Amino acid sequence: EVQLVESGGDLLQPGGSLRLSCAASGFMFSSYWMHWVRQVPGKGLIWVSRISGDGYRTIYSDSVKGRFTISRDNAKSTVYLQISGLRVDDTAVYFCARSTPGMGPVDWGQGTLLTVSS
Amino acid sequence: QAVVIQEPSLTVSPGGTVTLTCGSSTGAVTSGHYPYWFQQKPGQAPRTLIHDTSNKRSWTPARFSGSLLGEKAALTLSGAQPEDEADYYCLLSYGDVWVFGGGTTLTVL
Repeated sequence: EVQLVESGGDLLQPGGSLRLSCAASGFMFSSYWMHWVRQVPGKGLIWVSRISGDGYRTIYSDSVKGRFTISRDNAKSTVYLQISGLRVDDTAVYFCARSTPGMGPVDWGQGTLLTVSS
Repeated sequence: QAVVIQEPSLTVSPGGTVTLTCGSSTGAVTSGHYPYWFQQKPGQAPRTLIHDTSNKRSWTPARFSGSLLGEKAALTLSGAQPEDEADYYCLLSYGDVWVFGGGTTLTVL
């Protein structure tokens, strides 16, 4: 069974940084590309970033470019999202999802909540 | 960055048929946008219903179908059930970047 479990969400102050994690199981992790999607509570889904199976190809939405870094550790079957310069509008539930190479997300985790507030 | 356009809300009667659409600010939606459709209920993660325009996941009920309709992607629900009341999001590919629509809240009433 495919499982994706996000963690690392917290209540943090603006300007800080954190790393979200998504632990995968039930499939050959390195064969799949991974995505991060966020959702402000009560609002719509926003695609954030994705990384190729080998970790060499990454891409970001314009809204997060420069502050977000996606990475993965295939030995640990985990994908990460590093966020720096936290802003109040980064407050959201962050979902990870897997896809076949080059395609969109199809299997989703349950999400982790990041709250940025002073 | 492109804007993906969905109806904010739609209502369908139980047993009825409704079509949700997904347009693009850049022009016609084609198979090259690889349209996806997701269902999300309150407090839950999104669930993928349709990928690559019309392909269903193993859990996608037969009453849902995806297509291209004119210059848009479309999700048609035939024979709506009360449990289909949810938010529905489409997702389009623009090269390496993906963009979600704003979502459609579907009410079954």
